[in-house]
Amino acid sequence: AQTVTQSQPEMSVQEAETVTLSCTYDTSESDYYLFWYKQPPSRQMILVIRQEAYKQQNATENRFSVNFQKAAKSFSLKISDSQLGDAAMYFCAYRSANSNSGYALNFGKGTSLLVTP
Amino acid sequence: KAGVTQTPRYLIKTRGQQVTLSCSPISGHRSVSWYQQTPGQGLQFLFEYFSETQRNKGNFPGRFSGRQFSNSRSEMNVSTLELGDSALYLCASTQGLATDTQYFGPGTRLTVL
Repeated sequence: AQTVTQSQPEMSVQEAETVTLSCTYDTSESDYYLFWYKQPPSRQMILVIRQEAYKQQNATENRFSVNFQKAAKSFSLKISDSQLGDAAMYFCAYRSANSNSGYALNFGKGTSLLVTP
Repeated sequence: KAGVTQTPRYLIKTRGQQVTLSCSPISGHRSVSWYQQTPGQGLQFLFEYFSETQRNKGNFPGRFSGRQFSNSRSEMNVSTLELGDSALYLCASTQGLATDTQYFGPGTRLTVL
């Protein structure tokens, strides 16, 4: 089974600064998808960004970008120009591309991000 | 398009009772997945339904069951509730393809007393 590890339970960043959240995963598969989801206090899980393993180019969505290192099985999230609204729990998730494995998401334990003024 | 909706948003039950939670996917989505979120275990996959058939199942006891209707709406049922079943139950929908991203509903907060 694939495991996802987020080694930082909590992180803090000042408004307008940049922060990087870490994620590593363990898999023997070559084709898969990686995601970062954000869960604010409302508990609504919101997709931040996704990465296809077969793509070498790192995904970017506005202020959010990833550093995907396939050989190292690392998938970090960089948030630039942090805003107060970025404060939330961030979850890294893995999903197999193999239909035989199903399409369930395997989540890490999450990183709580605090944004200070 | 309207997002994923879940009802009810909050539930309080007592041990031994049973409960049914409902999830309506995004229009056009045929796959619904259910997850349990607790402080101790984090987010865990329960099961996935696609076109009224269970396609995948997580490692949960048989007290947890689900079904999907022809309009893609899904229900999950928990029988003989235990205190440890207290959790946020999230559902997510996709079109059902391998390339899809799962979009989540707001969750149902279940408290078992």
